[in-house]
Amino acid sequence: QVQLVESGGQVVQPGRSLRLSCAGSGMILRGLHMNWVRQAPGKGLEWLALISFDGDIQHYADSVTGRFTISRDNSKDTVYLQVNSLTTEDTATYYCTTSTFDKWGRGTLVIVSS
Amino acid sequence: AIQVTQSPSSLSASIGDRVAITCRASRNIGTDLAWFQQKSGKAPELLISASSRLQSGVPSRFSGSGSGTQFTLTIDSLQPEDYATYYCLLNYIEPFTFGQGTRLEI
Repeated sequence: QVQLVESGGQVVQPGRSLRLSCAGSGMILRGLHMNWVRQAPGKGLEWLALISFDGDIQHYADSVTGRFTISRDNSKDTVYLQVNSLTTEDTATYYCTTSTFDKWGRGTLVIVSS
Repeated sequence: AIQVTQSPSSLSASIGDRVAITCRASRNIGTDLAWFQQKSGKAPELLISASSRLQSGVPSRFSGSGSGTQFTLTIDSLQPEDYATYYCLLNYIEPFTFGQGTRLEI
């Protein structure tokens, strides 16, 4: 079954950092632009970032610019989201999705709590 | 960033009804708008891309229309499995923007 698999979510204290990962299962990510999207509990979807297929171009939502970094390692066929200086408002399920938004992972849950 | 207004925020309808959800963009985005369905605890699923392009496997009772700044998702003859939350996405230029969501309930 072709799917995306996110990992790296956990409970962390405010101010800490995390690196989230997205890998393909039955699909190859290199050659695809990729996005990260998040959803806080009971809230709507928020687009966060996009990275080009080769990693040369990144775009970010205004709300996370300077604090989140999207990257990729095509040798590992994995896309990452580095999230720094976490606050309780970053508590959410983080999804990776293809550039056309037609494939999504199940998400990884980040809980920021002291 | 381009702003989006999705309405209504919630909608009550019955099996067999026809419903419409709209998204309005703050500037002309051509047809660069997608619609998603999300059920509780699940990832969103893409229904329609490029304003009106129905994705493979999506029932034909779903349709999308619009261009420029005004877009509509229409669901004909509501089925029980259609009760969910729907989002539009403006993907004209980064940063992309999701609508606020429409919760469709009985």
